[in-house]
Amino acid sequence: GNSVTQMEGPVTLSEEAFLTINCTYTATGYPSLFWYVQYPGEGLQLLLKATKADDKGSNKGFEATYRKETTSFHLEKGSVQVSDSAVYFCALYYGGSQGNLIFGKGTKLSVKP
Amino acid sequence: GAVVSQHPSRVICKSGTSVKIECRSLDFQATTMFWYRQFPKQSLMLMATSNEGSKATYEQGVEKDKFLINHASLTLSTLTVTSAHPEDSSFYICSAASGATDTQYFGPGTRLTVL
Repeated sequence: GNSVTQMEGPVTLSEEAFLTINCTYTATGYPSLFWYVQYPGEGLQLLLKATKADDKGSNKGFEATYRKETTSFHLEKGSVQVSDSAVYFCALYYGGSQGNLIFGKGTKLSVKP
Repeated sequence: GAVVSQHPSRVICKSGTSVKIECRSLDFQATTMFWYRQFPKQSLMLMATSNEGSKATYEQGVEKDKFLINHASLTLSTLTVTSAHPEDSSFYICSAASGATDTQYFGPGTRLTVL
């Protein structure tokens, strides 16, 4: 079946450090892939997405590349800020217009000044 | 654009009462709305999918008589937790999508506490 696996947290970094959060997926067909971010006490916000192999999604300094050969969609940022502290969810979408999002378990990121 | 609101943001109720949560798409027409439940430090669990003007489709294990979903217009969906019990306490999040798309826009969530 379809599933998403992301690295367990929490991840604690110092400000300006490099961030990688690993995400791999299992899916039939060609799903769209997403990263969502959840700040404390809030709902999810779409961070970036990619819809086909080799696409790179980017937003707010974050990037992720859709790698079909390794079934991965790792999230990266070159220099994190304290304001990036949040929980990050990797997700895949399958099933056309009535399809569903499958979420990973989330990775909590804490950035220290 | 693509803003989704939820009301209330936080609600506390007594066991046995019913609680209604509203989800609104503010600047687009949501042909499909989704309701999720999130337990502490865990991922989102899809509860049901609703299309405007039709009955909701519930995920396996979700009681349709307990979690009543109404999607009466293209901008509003409601989730009513009937006869709430402490185990229903959770963070409920809705999302909305317009047309045949893979992108959902999420509301800020509603924290329900049942005493």
